[in-house]
Amino acid sequence: DTGVSQNPRHKITKRGQNVTFRCDPISEHNRLYWYRQTLGQGPEFLTYFQNEAQLEKSRLLSDRFSAERPKGSFSTLEIQRTEQGDSAMYLCASSLGAGADTEAFFGQGTRLTVV
Amino acid sequence: DAKTTQPTSMDCAEGRAANLPCNHSTISGNEYVYWYRQIHSQGPQYIIHGLKNNETNEMASLIITEDRKSSTLILPHATLRDTAVYYCIVRVVGNDMRFGAGTRLTVKP
Repeated sequence: DTGVSQNPRHKITKRGQNVTFRCDPISEHNRLYWYRQTLGQGPEFLTYFQNEAQLEKSRLLSDRFSAERPKGSFSTLEIQRTEQGDSAMYLCASSLGAGADTEAFFGQGTRLTVV
Repeated sequence: DAKTTQPTSMDCAEGRAANLPCNHSTISGNEYVYWYRQIHSQGPQYIIHGLKNNETNEMASLIITEDRKSSTLILPHATLRDTAVYYCIVRVVGNDMRFGAGTRLTVKP
């Protein structure tokens, strides 16, 4: 078990381009979360999956953002027509269920810079 | 989920106990208190959680007041590697974690 893995670690893109990030959760973890974090702020919730079903989406997740978890394992987060305001760290977390004693494990994040 | 209030920053001397307060005066009966920390450039890391009893693990102790309106995370012997942002989160079981701005703890030699 190597923990939650996120790729790439860093991404620089030009404004208007599309980008896709990948998250590989800890195996058998059925819950997967995406967060966004800007400098000096705590992580902001974006969306989460229970297996392959996307159960909740934040208002922060505009129409340009889409997340998938097709087979209930890895997940992708795509941002279309990137804007400078999308520059942030994108964090993925996974957990085995969502009970009180459930610990969410976070990846190292993907740092996106839109120039 | 209930809102939490934490000091923006705190300092602690290496080897001393670090006591990080959190106010959650609107907490409801089914909400747990969780603490995570985030070391620079890494993802958040779970520390401890509790409902109403005090809890202790290998990393820290969590003291929750009897009325559950506040809590304190205690790092008994802070080291330089404990320098991080510490987040206090109140969560209903089944919901996701919602983070605030946290407390930036600086452990000084």
